[in-house]
Amino acid sequence: DQQVKQNSPSLSVQEGRISILNCDYTNSMFDYFLWYKKYPAEGPTFLISISSIKDKNEDGRFTVFLNKSAKHLSLHIVPSQPGDSAVYFCAASEIDTDKLIFGTGTRLQVFP
Amino acid sequence: EAQVTQNPRYLITVTGKKLTVTCSQNMNHEYMSWYRQDPGLGLRQIYYSMNVEVTDKGDVPEGYKVSRKEKRNFPLILESPSPNQTSLYFCASRARMDTQYFGPGTRLTVL
Repeated sequence: DQQVKQNSPSLSVQEGRISILNCDYTNSMFDYFLWYKKYPAEGPTFLISISSIKDKNEDGRFTVFLNKSAKHLSLHIVPSQPGDSAVYFCAASEIDTDKLIFGTGTRLQVFP
Repeated sequence: EAQVTQNPRYLITVTGKKLTVTCSQNMNHEYMSWYRQDPGLGLRQIYYSMNVEVTDKGDVPEGYKVSRKEKRNFPLILESPSPNQTSLYFCASRARMDTQYFGPGTRLTVL
């Protein structure tokens, strides 16, 4: 059973517009959430995170929103740039464990 | 430069021939993990280690072994590889309560 789900395998957005990537989870014990970005032939790199005590975390063009009641989080990229084209993984964990559960990823393409 | 290194980056082998993928980190991290990435399945944890001589199974440990004799190294061992272990493998490390840093990946093909 997939505990972390990214239901959109791909997303295409025009440069300058907002990209919204979504993630749903089922385990109510998750209390820390992360987004990773992955380019081809490279390992995933950390992008942004949020703990369950917050509902929003912002870092430059990237904002993550957490809706605990809906068990849903989203990543907003504004404005989107061609260099943002990559696969984005959502991940969740319980604090102080090394167990990160990843979603299946969403491939974002930003076109000019 | 802080990094996680893996070797080899690419490997083609045959069923049953034992192989080891090495992983090393230079950040003095306590936690290390191995993941495999497969189409439509995302990243799944194979094994993890919370410190030297402490290892535990992740979600998909069957067919794999690991060891953690030194803090910096965490090799992944396939004693008898099978075609269903053809995948992209990532090693990762982190300090306690910190984010994970991933290696560049090892693409393994088992014929």
